[in-house]
Amino acid sequence: GQQVMQIPQYQHVQEGEDFTTYCNSSTTLSNIQWYKQRPGGHPVFLIQLVKSGEVKKQKRLTFQFGEAKKNSSLHITATQTTDVGTYFCANKAAGNKLTFGGGTRVLVKP
Amino acid sequence: DAGVIQSPRHEVTEMGQEVTLRCKPISGHDYLFWYRQTMMRGLELLIYFNNNVPIDDSGMPEDRFSAKMPNASFSTLKIQPSEPRDSAVYFCASSLFPSYGYTFGSGTRLTVV
Repeated sequence: GQQVMQIPQYQHVQEGEDFTTYCNSSTTLSNIQWYKQRPGGHPVFLIQLVKSGEVKKQKRLTFQFGEAKKNSSLHITATQTTDVGTYFCANKAAGNKLTFGGGTRVLVKP
Repeated sequence: DAGVIQSPRHEVTEMGQEVTLRCKPISGHDYLFWYRQTMMRGLELLIYFNNNVPIDDSGMPEDRFSAKMPNASFSTLKIQPSEPRDSAVYFCASSLFPSYGYTFGSGTRLTVV
């Protein structure tokens, strides 16, 4: 399946600050899904992006799909301790098969 | 809806023993997936089913692993014989094509000693 690379692997953020995590592919992606996994928990679906240049917002989270559909980003504003966890992007290929990136592990400093 | 239900939550077994992990997907979801998560390899897709039929098992590590879905409400992942390198968290997920996203179960943490 298509490989998606996430950067950074780790993100230390001061509470209240913003940060962005990126998901990149060398090939065009059909769509991108984002998941959040809390420490000790399971991945929870956040959003799906399908269209080139698409931007979606969920409260303090902004998701974007690149114009060339080769990258995506997740931007979190005013980080809170509840944002702690690992954020995964995943590519949904034909046949409903989802391949996950390595994730960005977010740690929040109060 | 109770979500995707996995059992057991934790399993500790000795090398060479058979291990069976269980999953009950969300009612009405046509797709069921088994993933394995480790620090080294991240989230790996092992196998997935559509309408109880295995579609892609290319991620199954080797013949020691097998998965079945005898009906729409139950699936098993079996490892026989188990080895220490099988230690991981195994997740089951289900989805309703073409809806949004997968719903994951809480996972089974397997430790093989």
